[in-house]
Amino acid sequence: GQNIDQPTEMTATEGAIVQINCTYQTSGFNGLFWYQQHAGEAPTFLSYNVLDGLEEKGRFSSFLSRSKGYSYLLLKELQMKDSASYLCAVRDSNYQLIWGAGTKLIIKP
Amino acid sequence: IAGITQAPTSQILAAGRRMTLRCTQDMRHNAMYWYRQDLGLGLRLIHYSNTAGTTGKGEVPDGYSVSRANTDDFPLTLASAVPSQTSVYFCASSESGGATGELFFGEGSRLTVL
Repeated sequence: GQNIDQPTEMTATEGAIVQINCTYQTSGFNGLFWYQQHAGEAPTFLSYNVLDGLEEKGRFSSFLSRSKGYSYLLLKELQMKDSASYLCAVRDSNYQLIWGAGTKLIIKP
Repeated sequence: IAGITQAPTSQILAAGRRMTLRCTQDMRHNAMYWYRQDLGLGLRLIHYSNTAGTTGKGEVPDGYSVSRANTDDFPLTLASAVPSQTSVYFCASSESGGATGELFFGEGSRLTVL
């Protein structure tokens, strides 16, 4: 079966750095996505990786290793507004998205 | 720019009743999707449409139907609601053939079936 694993919840301190991991087992691979979802709101797109390596976008970076079935989202200089759930999703060989259950990130002052 | 509009935003429904969740987009995206989101689970695809006039079944299609008469609208119908259909429903769209296939989501419809 297809599976996306990510931690259920993480806590970090304002101003610090946090890494959210995602491992996947899917039928084929056509890209990995990270979305941010604030409580009670819609998911919004953060990043897309299709090749191995690091993609940097401001305070957020996303890394992919296809051989290991692994990705992480790195958030730097954490702000209170970064408190949200972070969803990892993989596009499989049929171009369908398989979603993880999300990681709830709690930022403390 | 509205993006994707869903209605209603929230609804309480008696079991056995018929319900249609509406979804309209103004981005002229070809592909549209309906997901449900339940606590502790990832988003699950109910139905999708790659272009106007075509629809397909997702991971959890039972009890739901969709239609795609034009590019902009993609309603989701529950023919006879059951309590297990209590969930938050998200409509989404994407440009088919786009480099990333990024999804744009509506604000969600929270449905409670009693």
